[in-house]
Amino acid sequence: GQQVMQIPQYQHVQEGEDFTTYCNSSTTLSNIQWYKQRPGGHPVFLIQLVKSGEVKKQKRLTFQFGEAKKNSSLHITATQTTDVGTYFCADPSGGSYIPTFGRGTSLIVHP
Amino acid sequence: DTEVTQTPKHLVMGMTNKKSLKCEQHMGHRAMYWYKQKAKKPPELMFVYSYEKLSINESVPSRFSPECPNSSLLNLHLHALQPEDSALYLCAVGAGGRTDTQYFGPGTRLTVL
Repeated sequence: GQQVMQIPQYQHVQEGEDFTTYCNSSTTLSNIQWYKQRPGGHPVFLIQLVKSGEVKKQKRLTFQFGEAKKNSSLHITATQTTDVGTYFCADPSGGSYIPTFGRGTSLIVHP
Repeated sequence: DTEVTQTPKHLVMGMTNKKSLKCEQHMGHRAMYWYKQKAKKPPELMFVYSYEKLSINESVPSRFSPECPNSSLLNLHLHALQPEDSALYLCAVGAGGRTDTQYFGPGTRLTVL
């Protein structure tokens, strides 16, 4: 897959604040996936975005896919301590359709 | 989350040992994967099996030897590992194809002494 750049690497927030992580690609993506990995846990699939400009919501999480399909974001509203973990975007656009993971953004929520 | 299981959860081995990691899926997916994940890093693909045949080997050293006995089982045989091989080893399964998503097992945390 393509190399997706993910920022920031770390984000500290106070509980109740919002959080956003971004993924960017220099090439057009066919789709993009998001995973969450809790500390000491394993990656868990959250969602896949396929269409240009797509926006999907899961409770306090909002996922967006850019109009040009070169970027994506995950926004969490009013963070809670249960949101702690590392969020990875993944690009399965390569010839074998196996997701290539971004570096991840580690979210730390301070109570 | 319990549809992909891995054993053992933790493994400590010496550099001369031979051990095996096991993965079992109950999802009926055709693609099975081994990933290696170091601390603070994303998962790094090692091997892919599709319909029980090895389809991708990401230039992994021969001290790692995968095996897929059937569509539900995936093994990773370890021999003569190095301390730098210490990591979390994740098994994942997927349907394969353009919109494949990865369903991960809980992983085996390996320490090589």
